[in-house]
Amino acid sequence: QQQVKQSPQSLIVQKGGISIINCAYENTAFDYFPWYQQFPGKGPALLIAIRPDVSEKKEGRFTISFNKSAKQFSLHIMDSQPGDSATYFCAARNAGGTSYGKLTFGQGTILTVHP
Amino acid sequence: GAVVSQHPSRVICKSGTSVKIECRSLDFQATTMFWYRQFPKQSLMLMATSNEGSKATYEQGVEKDKFLINHASLTLSTLTVTSAHPEDSSFYICSARVIGLAGGYSYNEQFFGPGTRLTVL
Repeated sequence: QQQVKQSPQSLIVQKGGISIINCAYENTAFDYFPWYQQFPGKGPALLIAIRPDVSEKKEGRFTISFNKSAKQFSLHIMDSQPGDSATYFCAARNAGGTSYGKLTFGQGTILTVHP
Repeated sequence: GAVVSQHPSRVICKSGTSVKIECRSLDFQATTMFWYRQFPKQSLMLMATSNEGSKATYEQGVEKDKFLINHASLTLSTLTVTSAHPEDSSFYICSARVIGLAGGYSYNEQFFGPGTRLTVL
């Protein structure tokens, strides 16, 4: 089974600090790597995403770094705020075949930003 | 933006009853919708892919006779949990896929609903 491994499980950061969440995948059948933010009792919301032909993408305080050769990608949240406290999921999308378009999710990271 | 709704947001039922959950794309049409299940403090697990006008395809280990999926229109997919038992209690989330072209790039994006909390007593 295709897997996406995410770490850490939980992360505590002070307000204004940098939050870093890492993900690794096991095969090359993925063509798109989104990150989702989920608040308790809510559905996940797309935060930022990257394609494998790009090494970095930045949107506001959120940056994805992508290392294709290492099969790793990470989310950096700059100037972390208490409102960023949520669960973050990385995901990878299948590029084709019978699993085309399906998302495989990482295990999730619970981020807590202290004021 | 693309909005997906789910109804109900939470439901409590007795063991042995059936529960229907609706997933609607409000401002776009979706030929494909996905159903996920999420247990507390765990990740989303794909249950099935719902295709408009055809049978759903289920992931390995998901009982198709227990989790009935109907995608009767381009804006509505339903998940019916039949003969629900306490172990079916979970957070059920749907997503709707949008495929298109914009600015010379193709996109293929899933937009998620707010989820339905099912509690089976």
